[in-house]
Amino acid sequence: QVQLVESGGGLVKPGGSLRLSCAASGFTFSDYYMSWIRQAPGKGLEWVSYISSSGSTIYYADSVKGRFTISRDNAKNSLYLQMNSLRAEDTAVYYCSLGVDYWGQGTLVTVSS
Amino acid sequence: AIQMTQSPSSLSASVGDRVTITCRASQGIRNDLGWYQQKPGKAPKLLIYAASSLQSGVPSRFSGSGSGTDFTLTISSLQPEDFATYYCLQDYNYPHTFGGGTKVEIK
Repeated sequence: QVQLVESGGGLVKPGGSLRLSCAASGFTFSDYYMSWIRQAPGKGLEWVSYISSSGSTIYYADSVKGRFTISRDNAKNSLYLQMNSLRAEDTAVYYCSLGVDYWGQGTLVTVSS
Repeated sequence: AIQMTQSPSSLSASVGDRVTITCRASQGIRNDLGWYQQKPGKAPKLLIYAASSLQSGVPSRFSGSGSGTDFTLTISSLQPEDFATYYCLQDYNYPHTFGGGTKVEIK
């Protein structure tokens, strides 16, 4: 069955960086586009980024464009989100998703001094 | 970006009630809409895709309808395990956008 396991979250100061990872199993990773979606504490869902199956096409939400970079390693069945210049408003649980169908359990990123 | 307006933001209902949640898109999105259920502390779970297709394993009391700009999620007979927050998502174009959510509470 599809399994997505996020890691790399934690506490970081404003202006800092963090790299999230998502380990995928149970499906042919290289065949599917992947996404990152986040949820601030007590708030709704916000789509963050998309990467095509080959990695050749990428999209970002305006709120993270220029600061976040999505990437993937199909040989390692892994998805990544490099987050730079972090702000308090980036505090959220970050989910990776297979397309938009299956989601991991999320990893919490807290941006605070 | 396409705006998704979801209503109501919350509702109180009893077990056995019929519940309807709506989402309106700011422009036409064909049938490129999904519905998700989220319980506290858990990841969202896909219920309906392509506006009206039931995801495998989802009970048949859940149904979706609509096309273009107006969409509906219906729970035909609310069960205790259905008390949760529900979101719509348009995947017609990027950036994908979610509705604001509907919290379904016990009356």
